[in-house]
Amino acid sequence: NAGVMQNPRHLVRRRGQEARLRCSPMKGHSHVYWYRQLPEEGLKFMVYLQKENIIDESGMPKERFSAEFPKEGPSILRIQQVVRGDSAAYFCASSPESRGLIDGYTFGSGTRLTVV
Amino acid sequence: AQTVTQSQPEMSVQEAETVTLSCTYDTSESDYYLFWYKQPPSRQMILVIRQEAYKQQNATENRFSVNFQKAAKSFSLKISDSQLGDAAMYFCALRGNQFYFGTGTSLTVIP
Repeated sequence: NAGVMQNPRHLVRRRGQEARLRCSPMKGHSHVYWYRQLPEEGLKFMVYLQKENIIDESGMPKERFSAEFPKEGPSILRIQQVVRGDSAAYFCASSPESRGLIDGYTFGSGTRLTVV
Repeated sequence: AQTVTQSQPEMSVQEAETVTLSCTYDTSESDYYLFWYKQPPSRQMILVIRQEAYKQQNATENRFSVNFQKAAKSFSLKISDSQLGDAAMYFCALRGNQFYFGTGTSLTVIP
């Protein structure tokens, strides 16, 4: 039973390019969460999705960032026109339900985005 | 607002000794859970231990235990018989509607 799979593991983009980060949740998990970890900081919530629905995007920057979790395929976090401040590790987590769980999420290994 | 504070950016411990990592939190929710995650250099977030806020008994997982003081909103992690493999970043987390993480404590284990 594979865990949460994120790819790529490392991504380098030039300023102004687009970054696409992929997350395949654990088998049987229908809820996906994206977190960002800036250097020397903890993980910060970005967005929570279920299949074909954005449930909570209160942590997403208003511009340039978008996320989707289509009916088929992985969840995608998309960053348009990247800037140096977007450089961070982006983590995806999944769970079978959204609330009431004592179990913590299952996290992927993250994608480290470097903007040059 | 919900916040998690880890006031120790770095800690070190001799192998086989015991170390305690501090965490305080603030929440207005009555139903919440608390977690400690370990992040080794591989970046993988690994769940170490969890605590239901409504339980008074402190959680224990082998060499890892917590000291949960609900009134003080404190949730410290004790690692006994420290091993080299325990070296990592440790994050305290509060789960209400979503996870809120502290800024982490970097633990070094000295052989």
